[in-house]
Amino acid sequence: EADIYQTPRYLVIGTGKKITLECSQTMGHDKMYWYQQDPGMELHLIHYSYGVNSTEKGDLSSESTVSRIRTEHFPLTLESARPSHTSQYLCASSEWWTWVFGPGTRLTVT
Amino acid sequence: SQQGEEDPQALSIQEGENATMNCSYKTSINNLQWYRQNSGRGLVHLILIRSNEREKHSGRLRVTLDTSKKSSSLLITASRAADTASYFCATPLQGSGGGADGLTFGKGTHLIIQP
Repeated sequence: EADIYQTPRYLVIGTGKKITLECSQTMGHDKMYWYQQDPGMELHLIHYSYGVNSTEKGDLSSESTVSRIRTEHFPLTLESARPSHTSQYLCASSEWWTWVFGPGTRLTVT
Repeated sequence: SQQGEEDPQALSIQEGENATMNCSYKTSINNLQWYRQNSGRGLVHLILIRSNEREKHSGRLRVTLDTSKKSSSLLITASRAADTASYFCATPLQGSGGGADGLTFGKGTHLIIQP
């Protein structure tokens, strides 16, 4: 079944830890995206990718990094988590005007 | 910068009533999309309306688009408690790579349906 998956769904972690949020899609979409959303607020684009080996920064500056080694996989990494990184992170993929969003990862940094 | 702005920011109505949400945007678009988000969850695509369309229906949803006013509305008829969610409009960011370099979202309308 075509879908987009994010793991973990919830993560509570201490300051200074390195974390990787996983995102995988089974639809073969070339374009993938990461959005950051604070509770009750709008979504901000932080990273996107046109395809393998392509990564671009979005509108909102983020200390996170991404990689795109395989079409289906677009992980996001924070080298040293801080409380200011506490947020929900949503992954999405698209082909032309078809967009699919993952369920999100809710990150809390203590 | 945010492209879409939803109005109202929050709306509470009784079950069975109709709910109307509005969205305004700033630049020219070739389509506009509406999404629903249940609390703390991902986004669910509801409907896409192209710039050459004025109205579109999907079940209990009706979307209008007025490109001259740069605005769109989402109407949910005969609301149900399960419609309680946040609703966002989104417009594409045009990129050099063709297609969209992402979607830009407004702050959303928080809809509460009271049983």
